[in-house]
Amino acid sequence: DQQVKQNSPSLSVQEGRISILNCDYTNSMFDYFLWYKKYPAEGPTFLISISSIKDKNEDGRFTVFLNKSAKHLSLHIVPSQPGDSAVYFCAASGSSGGSYIPTFGRGTSLIVHP
Amino acid sequence: DSGVTQTPKHLITATGQRVTLRCSPRSGDLSVYWYQQSLDQGLQFLIQYYNGEERAKGNILERFSAQQFPDLHSELNLSSLELGDSALYFCASSVGVGTPSTDTQYFGPGTRLTVL
Repeated sequence: DQQVKQNSPSLSVQEGRISILNCDYTNSMFDYFLWYKKYPAEGPTFLISISSIKDKNEDGRFTVFLNKSAKHLSLHIVPSQPGDSAVYFCAASGSSGGSYIPTFGRGTSLIVHP
Repeated sequence: DSGVTQTPKHLITATGQRVTLRCSPRSGDLSVYWYQQSLDQGLQFLIQYYNGEERAKGNILERFSAQQFPDLHSELNLSSLELGDSALYFCASSVGVGTPSTDTQYFGPGTRLTVL
């Protein structure tokens, strides 16, 4: 049973527009959420995170929104650039025996067209 | 470049065989994590070592084992390989035990294992 779901396998956006990537989770024990970006032939790279005590975190063009009641988070990229084309993984974690191991979604492939 | 190195990049082997994947963490990082990514799947956590000791265990098969050596590099051993073990295997490292607010995981480029 997937505890972290990214229901859109792919997303296509025009350069300069907003990209919105969505993620849903089922485990109410999750209290920390992360987004990773992955280019082909490379490992995932940490992008941005948010704690459950916040509902928004912003870092430059990237903003993550958290709706705890809906168990939903989203990543907004504004404005989108061709270099943002990558697979984006949502991940969630909660303390289990003192160890925070993230559970990953299956990823959303973002293509930003020039 | 994340500073995490993994060897080999690609590995092709036959069913029933045994392979060893190697990971060198970033300088100063004490934790090493292993993940498996099968086709169209998210990253599945296998196991974490912290400063030489097993710290957390995920859905790691009994045919798989890992260890972290005194120099902090880690090896993932996969034995009695099956077709379904074909996947990308990622190693990640972090400074501490994984406290999410302070302990970012840095991923290596992965090892692509193909079992024929």
